[in-house]
Amino acid sequence: DIQMTQSPSSLSASVGDRVTITCRASQSITSYLNWYQQKPGKAPKLLLYAASSLQSGVPSRFSGSGSGTDFTLTISSLQPEDFATYYCQQSYSTPHTFGQGTKLEIK
Amino acid sequence: QVHLVESGGGVVQPGRSLRVSCAASGFTFSSYGMHWVRQAPGKGLEWVALIWSDGNNKYYTDSMKGRFTISRDNSMNTLYLEMNSLRAEDTAVYYCARDRGSGGGSYFSAMDVWGQGTTVTVSS
Repeated sequence: DIQMTQSPSSLSASVGDRVTITCRASQSITSYLNWYQQKPGKAPKLLLYAASSLQSGVPSRFSGSGSGTDFTLTISSLQPEDFATYYCQQSYSTPHTFGQGTKLEIK
Repeated sequence: QVHLVESGGGVVQPGRSLRVSCAASGFTFSSYGMHWVRQAPGKGLEWVALIWSDGNNKYYTDSMKGRFTISRDNSMNTLYLEMNSLRAEDTAVYYCARDRGSGGGSYFSAMDVWGQGTTVTVSS
């Protein structure tokens, strides 16, 4: 199985900050990398797929990059509604494993 | 309006079975692959299983293979997860989610529509 490792596990930031979350795969997954946002008590929401393609309706302050084994999610200017937990997920091969999550908290 | 609604969760004793369902509406269910994802209390997301749009191909996380069975009824627009020999560590919220595509073929799979989840508690 492909292991996905996110860093950091938690992050404190302020409204307006630029934030980057990293995801590393245990082997090459080319661009088969998705990012999800989850708020407490809610279902996850797809933000980006194919490493850098923005899902319909997602604000353009979210962006993704990377290929192979190393990927990043960037939020260009944090908004109050962005404080949540973020997960990467590979869809290169089954099982479609998730990273352990990065909790983004208000500083 | 695209919608997924899970049901069938509850409290079940260790070693027993449970089937959870996911009712789909607002889209052509038979055209999309479908997933189950679970989340134990206070933990991260764990991918459980995928079924292709036609139901002919199914994939599982190794730890659930042989105990869990994903299936679908395209005439009823419903996805199922049959869980046998349940253990305390299977306690979780179980989400169904739609794939962007059919589940097979060459495209970038991702889960673009999610249900609200159904809670399964395995306890004596």
